[in-house]
Amino acid sequence: EPEVTQTPSHQVTQMGQEVILRCVPISNHLYFYWYRQILGQKVEFLVSFYNNEISEKSEIFDDQFSVERPDGSNFTLKIRSTKLEDSAMYFCASSPSGADSYEQYFGPGTRLTVT
Amino acid sequence: QKEVEQNSGPLSVPEGAIASLNCTYSDRGSQSFFWYRQYSGKSPELIMFIYSNGDKEDGRFTAQLNKASQYVSLLIRDSQPSDSATYLCAVAQSGGSYIPTFGRGTSLIVHP
Repeated sequence: EPEVTQTPSHQVTQMGQEVILRCVPISNHLYFYWYRQILGQKVEFLVSFYNNEISEKSEIFDDQFSVERPDGSNFTLKIRSTKLEDSAMYFCASSPSGADSYEQYFGPGTRLTVT
Repeated sequence: QKEVEQNSGPLSVPEGAIASLNCTYSDRGSQSFFWYRQYSGKSPELIMFIYSNGDKEDGRFTAQLNKASQYVSLLIRDSQPSDSATYLCAVAQSGGSYIPTFGRGTSLIVHP
């Protein structure tokens, strides 16, 4: 069964460094998302991406964050200058369509630790 | 502020029993409702989705939606210890946005 994959599974970085989290969505899906979950807290939406552009973003997704689909398979989240409070699990998700089928399928996540 | 409320639990049920998990939401215009299962340290796994009032069954799982009461529930029949996890309710916002708002989740413990 096709699944969303994410790399790396765990990333440790120092405050102020840039990190890039990578995702390969399910191949025939059209909508891609990034979420984060701080330990013990809710899953929070960051950004959605469709047709090579951002379709929605939350207030968490500030200028420190960017997303890109550099080729036909990868979907990346970049954090330009990490802060301690960016430590969280970051999940990529994909959805077949935003119009008729709203189900989102999550990848295994990247645990980001900022020291 | 669109809210999705769940009892954090834990909900403890014996093996073989029916587990009933509940969720209420504040946005009356919500259109899509999802239940995810999340094991500790793992990602959310979609187990059910429902878009219309009434019941939807899939194997041991039944999702129930009552839009008038702004209430969605998940029943797990013949609960197994492997069902022990946190169950997240997610509700998609109205007005053309399909981004779901997640609840905090209910921890379910199924004891042998």
